[in-house]
Amino acid sequence: TQLLEQSPQFLSIQEGENLTVYCNSSSVFSSLQWYRQEPGEGPVLLVTVVTGGEVKKLKRLTFQFGDARKDSSLHITAAQPGDTGLYLCAGGTTDSWGKLQFGAGTQVVVTP
Amino acid sequence: DAGITQSPRHKVTETGTPVTLRCHQTENHRYMYWYRQDPGHGLRLIHYSYGVKDTDKGEVSDGYSVSRSKTEDFLLTLESATSSQTSVYFCAINRVEGHEQYFGPGTRLTVT
Repeated sequence: TQLLEQSPQFLSIQEGENLTVYCNSSSVFSSLQWYRQEPGEGPVLLVTVVTGGEVKKLKRLTFQFGDARKDSSLHITAAQPGDTGLYLCAGGTTDSWGKLQFGAGTQVVVTP
Repeated sequence: DAGITQSPRHKVTETGTPVTLRCHQTENHRYMYWYRQDPGHGLRLIHYSYGVKDTDKGEVSDGYSVSRSKTEDFLLTLESATSSQTSVYFCAINRVEGHEQYFGPGTRLTVT
């Protein structure tokens, strides 16, 4: 059972366009992470959000944690080919410390 | 770089043979994890360890066993490999600060 639903599953855009990836759940999470994975490599942590309503920015990437801590979004402004990759969200709860639930991922392709 | 290595990086084996994958970390972290990654499923937890000789099952543990005799090494064993265990396997560690996990480069296992 996938507790974290990511949408869309696949996104193909042109360089310079904006995109948003969503991560939704019926569960409340104490923290939520976003990872990016490139082919043949392991996921790399981008950001952690822990407070409901929190917004974090990492250069052209903006991450938001929902007020109820059940959902999150990742927005990329002016996407570049280097943003291409599989984006994964993962949530942790206080009663399962150290264990994460992962979404199935969103494959983003940015073409020049 | 979380100082995580996995070996082998690629392996092809036949159905019914035993296979052991190794995860090695250099930073003395207490928590270590084994995941498998399959298209459409994201990352699914197989087993995890919270210390030497302390391990527990994840959501897809059937057909897998683990051992941790030293802090730095976490071994995943497929006692009798099946074609359904063809996958990419990732090891991860959890730093003390929270749920954030850091991943190794992965092992691509093919069972023929």
